[in-house]
Order: sequence, then C-alpha cells, then structure tokens
Amino acid sequence: DTAVSQTPKYLVTQMGNDKSIKCEQNLGHDTMYWYKQDSKKFLKIMFSYNNKELIINETVPNRFSPKSPDKAHLNLHINSLELGDSAVYFCASSQTEQETQYFGPGTRLLVL
Amino acid sequence: GIQVEQSPPDLILQEGANSTLRCNFSDSVNNLQWFHQNPWGQLINLFYIPSGTKQNGRLSATTVATERYSLLYISSSQTTDSGVYFCAVGVNDYKLSFGAGTTVTVRA
Repeated sequence: DTAVSQTPKYLVTQMGNDKSIKCEQNLGHDTMYWYKQDSKKFLKIMFSYNNKELIINETVPNRFSPKSPDKAHLNLHINSLELGDSAVYFCASSQTEQETQYFGPGTRLLVL
Repeated sequence: GIQVEQSPPDLILQEGANSTLRCNFSDSVNNLQWFHQNPWGQLINLFYIPSGTKQNGRLSATTVATERYSLLYISSSQTTDSGVYFCAVGVNDYKLSFGAGTTVTVRA
C-alpha cells in the first residue's frame, strides 16, 4: 500500500565506495524527484524527471547519476562517496510539476 | 532563484493552543505546498495552495499570492503536531524551493 517507497532505509558505508538507492511509486504519477536533506534539515532538489526524461539537474556533482527505467522507478547511484554526501535522501512523485508531491520515507546515508 | 523565508524558526506550544506559521517568498509563484516532517522524519504533504484558503481538520492555510506570503494555522494543537513545518514554492519549473522550516514543539 506504500505510495512511494525507498530502499534501503539506512546506508552506512566507507568513503570512496559506490552505492545505489532505489525508489518506486505506485501512484501512477508521471513526475519523480530526488531531494537531499542536510544535517540542518534544509531540503534541496537534486533531480526532476518527467516520463523517464531528466528535466532538472540542480548543479549536482556528476558522481550522482539518476536513472529512470520506467515511470514508476527512479534510482540514484552515487560513485566515490565523500563525507559531505552524508544526508537523508528523499524520493518524491507528483502527477505533474504543478501538483501535490508525495515523499518516500527517506534513506539515511552515513559516509565514514 | 526564489527565496523562501519562514517564521518563526521555532515555536513552543502548550497542548490546546492555536498558532500561525508564516511563509514569505521573493517572486510570483504558481506552486506552493506545506509539508509536515514528523519526529520520525516522514514528510507529509498538508496542502497544495498556490492561492486562496483551504482547511483540513484542525489545520488551515491561506495564500495571498499577490502579496507573496502564505499562512498555516494550527488550532487546538496536539502533541502529534510536533515536528518541522516546511513551505515550498515553485514556478512551472519542476522544482520546489523549500524554506528553512518552523520547528514546532507541543507540550502536554
């Protein structure tokens, strides 16, 4: 029944490693997003996708590579993890860019 | 980009009290949403309200787009209302800009 799900919920890893976060929505929405929430709880958009096409890349380092295999999924792969990548990553979806956004539970990433 | 300012940054309430949270933004928008992040980190959408007034139970929101602000009202607050309230705005551009949030603590 979960509308927007993410896996894993927690991720603890060493600097330099590569990791992926998966996101799935069962709402039939066309638009999906990745957000980063830092330690001060500030939320910032990273990527927006519409119908599997990248629309927004908000000056994110190219170590971050999103992939949308279909409209229901948006995954995030991170190469060469750095300490500053530690944060909570949220996936979200909406029917269009002008409508209510629904957020997943978040993935808490800690880079040691 | 659009600047979003929320006030107050922190609010402590006694259970049963009413409160008003404010969101000011620096440019015209056609997308404005209010979210509640509970103490467990879950982000819940409260309102999609680019203009006008909406009510949902004890919560209501008003956006005056021409004056570039929105207000979120919490009436008869409960401890479950604790958390961070975020205002986010956008302009047809597939991205929401979030304010820094208002942290609300409701004491029993």
